[in-house]
Amino acid sequence: AQSVAQPEDQVNVAEGNPLTVKCTYSVSGNPYLFWYVQYPNRGLQFLLKYITGDNLVKGSYGFEAEFNKSQTSFHLKKPSALVSDSALYFCAVRDLLPRGNNRKLIWGLGTSLAVNP
Amino acid sequence: NAGVTQTPKFQVLKTGQSMTLQCAQDMNHNSMYWYRQDPGMGLRLIYYSASEGTTDKGEVPNGYNVSRLNKREFSLRLESAAPSQTSVYFCASALRDRAQYSSYEQYFGPGTRLTVT
Repeated sequence: AQSVAQPEDQVNVAEGNPLTVKCTYSVSGNPYLFWYVQYPNRGLQFLLKYITGDNLVKGSYGFEAEFNKSQTSFHLKKPSALVSDSALYFCAVRDLLPRGNNRKLIWGLGTSLAVNP
Repeated sequence: NAGVTQTPKFQVLKTGQSMTLQCAQDMNHNSMYWYRQDPGMGLRLIYYSASEGTTDKGEVPNGYNVSRLNKREFSLRLESAAPSQTSVYFCASALRDRAQYSSYEQYFGPGTRLTVT
């Protein structure tokens, strides 16, 4: 079965420190992977995606993510966290089933990031 | 561009009442989606429309109906609201890219917070 897992419900980090939000996936074909952020009382915003090519993908607000095929992971990273990065982060992968162009995503349950001043 | 807009922002219904949530996008996207978000359950797909003229069920379609009115608009109807439908509802849209299958990222509206008493 296709799935996405975000193993941490919550991540706490001090401002200025590097942050990592973890995501692992299970799909039968080539994964298209995405990260989204949700600020309080807002809709989700697209951060970055991996389709093909360089394993390190750069996105909005200084975030980047590393695709690791052998570990089936796509962890979100930022070198220096800001208090304003505090939000809910979602990982998603393209749904390959049923075959065809169904344009759906499979979503993780989200990780709440708290950046402490 | 306004992006994806949703109305209303808030709604309180009594059990058994009906209502329609409206969604519109001005990005010329082909695909549109309705999700619900509940604490601890992430995003769950209710219905989606891969292109104008088509709609398909997602994970949790029971108790809902949809209409893809035209390319811009995708409405969600609750015929007889139940307390279990208390949730935050998000509409999203995505561009269809036949050539590369790369444009799966979805763009979200601000959400409708629905309470059913």
